[in-house]
Amino acid sequence: EPEVTQTPSHQVTQMGQEVILRCVPISNHLYFYWYRQILGQKVEFLVSFYNNEISEKSEIFDDQFSVERPDGSNFTLKIRSTKLEDSAMYFCASSEAPSGGFYNEQFFGPGTRLTVL
Amino acid sequence: LAKTTQPISMDSYEGQEVNITCSHNNIATNDYITWYQQFPSQGPRFIIQGYKTKVTNEVASLFIPADRKSSTLSLPRVSLSDTAVYYCLVGDRNNDMRFGAGTRLTVKP
Repeated sequence: EPEVTQTPSHQVTQMGQEVILRCVPISNHLYFYWYRQILGQKVEFLVSFYNNEISEKSEIFDDQFSVERPDGSNFTLKIRSTKLEDSAMYFCASSEAPSGGFYNEQFFGPGTRLTVL
Repeated sequence: LAKTTQPISMDSYEGQEVNITCSHNNIATNDYITWYQQFPSQGPRFIIQGYKTKVTNEVASLFIPADRKSSTLSLPRVSLSDTAVYYCLVGDRNNDMRFGAGTRLTVKP
């Protein structure tokens, strides 16, 4: 069964450093998403991406964040200058169709745990 | 986006049927209702989706009354492995999913 993969599984970085989290969505999916989940809290939407551009972003997704689809398979989330409060689990997801519609099932990856020291 | 309200937590025992109700009073005409499940340290996983009446799949059933202001996820004969957080989400095709706090279900032996 096809699945979303994410690398690395755990990333430790120093405050102020740049990090890039990588995702390989399911191959025939067209819509890509990033979420984060701070330990013990709810899953928070960050951004959605379609046709090589951001289609929606939350208030969390500020200028420190960027997304890119550098090739036909990878989807990346970059945090330019990490802060302590960026420590969280970051989930990538993909879907065939926009969320909310009848075919809205989003497939989530296993996550990358980011620890900012 | 329609706001959803679910119980914070629920306890059950193996073999019982569990019903988790979600309130979404300001659901819009185009909104669908979707439920996800999340195990610790894993990403959420789609369970079921519906628009009105009843939907059933191999995992669960979803009951939606005529006014669509609430919905009930029904898990038949739960096992210990059903212990997870269950999220109710409401939105239309053009909106992205915004998770609430979810319902933490604990299944006891």
